[in-house]
Amino acid sequence: NAGVTQTPKFRVLKTGQSMTLLCAQDMNHEYMYWYRQDPGMGLRLIHYSVGEGTTAKGEVPDGYNVSRLKKQNFLLGLESAAPSQTSVYFCASAGFRDRYLYGYTFGSGTRLTVV
Amino acid sequence: GESVGLHLPTLSVQEGDNSIINCAYSNSASDYFIWYKQESGKGPQFIIDIRSNMDKRQGQRVTVLLNKTVKHLSLQIAATQPGDSAVYFCAADSRYNNNDMRFGAGTRLTVKP
Repeated sequence: NAGVTQTPKFRVLKTGQSMTLLCAQDMNHEYMYWYRQDPGMGLRLIHYSVGEGTTAKGEVPDGYNVSRLKKQNFLLGLESAAPSQTSVYFCASAGFRDRYLYGYTFGSGTRLTVV
Repeated sequence: GESVGLHLPTLSVQEGDNSIINCAYSNSASDYFIWYKQESGKGPQFIIDIRSNMDKRQGQRVTVLLNKTVKHLSLQIAATQPGDSAVYFCAADSRYNNNDMRFGAGTRLTVKP
C-alpha cells in the first residue's frame, strides 16, 4: 500500500522555467491537497480538490495551477518559476464521509529550488 | 480567515518526562483537529485526531485535549523518548469551510537523554 506518492523528490529549475509535480494516491480518497513548507512558516495550502475534475484555491495560489483529471492524481504546475517558489512541496489526500475528513495522509515531499 | 498557531516554537524535555505541546485556533467553526509529527526530511505523519464532539482522546502514549471554549488544543506525550524528537503541527478543519485543512507553524520538540 503506497499511500501518497510524489514525483520528483528533488528538482532544480532556472527562473522562468516550467514544471509539473505529480501526486498519486491509491486510497480512493476524494480530497487532495498541495501545500508548500518554508522555514518557520509551517504548511501553507496552495490548492486543493474535493473530487475528480474540481479544484479550488487555498491560501497561496498565485503562480501555481492544478489539475485533477483522475481521482487518484493531483498535478501542481508552475508555469514560470520564480526564486520565491523555492520550497518543499507536500501533497496530501483524505477521504470524506458524513461531512468529515478521515485518513489524512501526506506524501514525502518534493524539494524544489529555483535559481 | 483561519489561523492556527502554536504557543511555543521550541520545547526541550528530558527523556522519560511528559511533554505538552499547545495549539490555538481562531475559527469557531473548526470541528476536526489533527496532530502531526514531522521528522527531518520527511513528510508529516498523522499522530492523533479529535472531533469537536469530544474533549479528550487517547492513543498510544499520546493524548489530545480540546477546549472549544477558548479554542485551544494540546498534545500530551507520556514518557517522552528520543524518537519523539521532531516538529509537531496541529491542524484544524471545518465541515462548513470547504474542508481546506489549515496548519500551525509547528513546535520543535527536542528530547534530551
